[in-house]
Amino acid sequence: QVQLQESGPGLVKPSETLSLTCPVSGASVSSRNYYWAWIRQPPGKGLEWIGYVYYNGNINYNPSLTSRVTISLDTSRNQFSLRLNSLTAADTAVYYCASGYCVGGGCQLYYFDFWGQGTLVTVSS
Amino acid sequence: IVMTQSPLSLPVTPGEPASISCRSSQSLLDSNLNNYLVWYLQKPGQSPQLLIYLGSNRAAGVPDRFSGSGSGTDFTLKISRVEAEDVGVYYCMQALQTPITFGQGTRLDIK
Repeated sequence: QVQLQESGPGLVKPSETLSLTCPVSGASVSSRNYYWAWIRQPPGKGLEWIGYVYYNGNINYNPSLTSRVTISLDTSRNQFSLRLNSLTAADTAVYYCASGYCVGGGCQLYYFDFWGQGTLVTVSS
Repeated sequence: IVMTQSPLSLPVTPGEPASISCRSSQSLLDSNLNNYLVWYLQKPGQSPQLLIYLGSNRAAGVPDRFSGSGSGTDFTLKISRVEAEDVGVYYCMQALQTPITFGQGTRLDIK
């Protein structure tokens, strides 16, 4: 059973940078069968994929956030991280980290199977 | 790829069936004849939980009252007999290509 747990500040000021980490247990972030993803959900709204990283360093971002987001992998600590800069109130959301199971040489995503419990990040002065 | 769900709200009597539709703006069927369509249930106050993947495959531990069908651009999630524990918001998601996208969600409530 893969377990993930988001950690980071619950309150960030506008224009500042959000940093979240997601330690992983029960699986290795060096696995070829998983993407390591960030997904967010504004209060009362739907789910938005932010991006994911693969064991070899390949990263895909949502084009709507590409200019402000960085996802990285730390194999020594078996965790991955999210940085989102130039925050506004519109970035207020529950942020989830999740594992994405993939198949084949091209690592075709099948589904996000394990999710963290989510952490609410509020952008406010 | 834009994902569109209907209805957005679904009140159901316990024991009755329920059906949710999900349509994609592009086909989710690839050359391997896999439909990269996933269904999730987000129960109140919880993270989304995986129900169905590749359009019709139940995830481990998911009760057999849940079934997924469809191909290409039109998909359906069916619950044969709704139980009280099924309340929450159901999302479809396409996994075919980035950016990964979700439907708006369908809120299922018990009448």
